Amino acid sequence: KAGVTQTPRYLIKTRGQQVTLSCSPISGHRSVSWYQQTPGQGLQFLFEYFSETQRNKGNFPGRFSGRQFSNSRSEMNVSTLELGDSALYLCASSAREDTQYFGPGTRLTVL
Amino acid sequence: AQTVTQSQPEMSVQEAETVTLSCTYDTSESNYYLFWYKQPPSRQMILVIRQEAYKQQNATENRFSVNFQKAAKSFSLKISDSQLGDTAMYFCALWFAQGGSEKLVFGKGTKLTVNP
Repeated sequence: KAGVTQTPRYLIKTRGQQVTLSCSPISGHRSVSWYQQTPGQGLQFLFEYFSETQRNKGNFPGRFSGRQFSNSRSEMNVSTLELGDSALYLCASSAREDTQYFGPGTRLTVL
Repeated sequence: AQTVTQSQPEMSVQEAETVTLSCTYDTSESNYYLFWYKQPPSRQMILVIRQEAYKQQNATENRFSVNFQKAAKSFSLKISDSQLGDTAMYFCALWFAQGGSEKLVFGKGTKLTVNP
């Protein structure tokens, strides 16, 4: 089976812009979770989607949003980008409740 | 609150030797799982090993094994016969279900360097 894929792998944006990141889960996986990884804060949970419904949300401002499509693919959107949003954004999918498999990540740089 | 603590920010080991990475956790849930993930410099997070809290037997995956001490809330990872490819960040993680949702909480990570 193909693993979790994320596009694009790298992005450079300027402050105030918005960005959309995409994640395709492993075939058959219905749960998709998003994480932000920074050197200072480590891995922080953004949100989780299951069957097109947001099931769980972390402590991030409303500028961070997401959605999941009927084929389980997920997108994450960040509006009004700030310098502090520069990070590696990781997507993970799972079939069983506990084990998550991660994609390669999208490296977002905000200038 | 559910927390995961990795007290060793960095460690190094010589090739072919054994190294143990420490992890402690705190949870009030009775049903939970523990994981070790590896993130090499290429940044792809890879699942190393999984442990069900209800199982007393320690999980093993080839050269990787854990020492799960439930009462002490300790979950250490032992890497035997270390290889250069084991150089990576290692994250300990706790999965639990709470209030109808599921969460995965990570420690800050341990940077492991395997020296030739």
